[in-house]
Amino acid sequence: EAQVTQNPRYLITVTGKKLTVTCSQNMNHEYMSWYRQDPGLGLRQIYYSMNVEVTDKGDVPEGYKVSRKEKRNFPLILESPSPNQTSLYFCASSLGSTNRLFFGEGSRLTVL
Amino acid sequence: GDSVTQMEGPVTLSEEAFLTINCTYTATGYPSLFWYVQYPGEGLQLLLKATKADDKGSNKGFEATYRKETTSFHLEKGSVQVSDSAVYFCALSDRGGNKLTFGTGTQLKVEL
Repeated sequence: EAQVTQNPRYLITVTGKKLTVTCSQNMNHEYMSWYRQDPGLGLRQIYYSMNVEVTDKGDVPEGYKVSRKEKRNFPLILESPSPNQTSLYFCASSLGSTNRLFFGEGSRLTVL
Repeated sequence: GDSVTQMEGPVTLSEEAFLTINCTYTATGYPSLFWYVQYPGEGLQLLLKATKADDKGSNKGFEATYRKETTSFHLEKGSVQVSDSAVYFCALSDRGGNKLTFGTGTQLKVEL
């Protein structure tokens, strides 16, 4: 089954404790992206990657890092999480561009 | 920069009512336009899209027409069902296809 898998789905952590949210897709997609969803703000792009070893900033990259060492994986790293990073995070992938994005089920992160 | 404006929700309708969710956009050039739907507890999924002016996207009884003159892409459905209850996001893709800009989302509730 074609899917985008994110882990963990739910996480409560404390300020400053490094964490990684993993994202994996099994569709051989070149394009992958991370979004955060906040009430009243919709989805905002954090980072995206057009292919292996190619990443670029989206609209809200501050406080986040990503890497794309393999085509299927695109982890989101919070080196020192802060409460304003409490949000619902979505990973998405597509073939080539944003023509049709496939989304994961989301990761709800709470930073205390 | 690019932006998408959607009508605020929630929109509450009775089953079999007519649905319109307004969406207007600001963009340079000729973006592609999308409607995504998010059912409770799930990631977003593509509902329909249009890639050039006057194109009509349609799926599952939903329709939207790309209107360049009014920079709009309103979502319509002739007869909604309870199962259509979800959050609907209008989005546009930049010319390079690297970035999808979302509206804030409109929650639809359909009651019996």
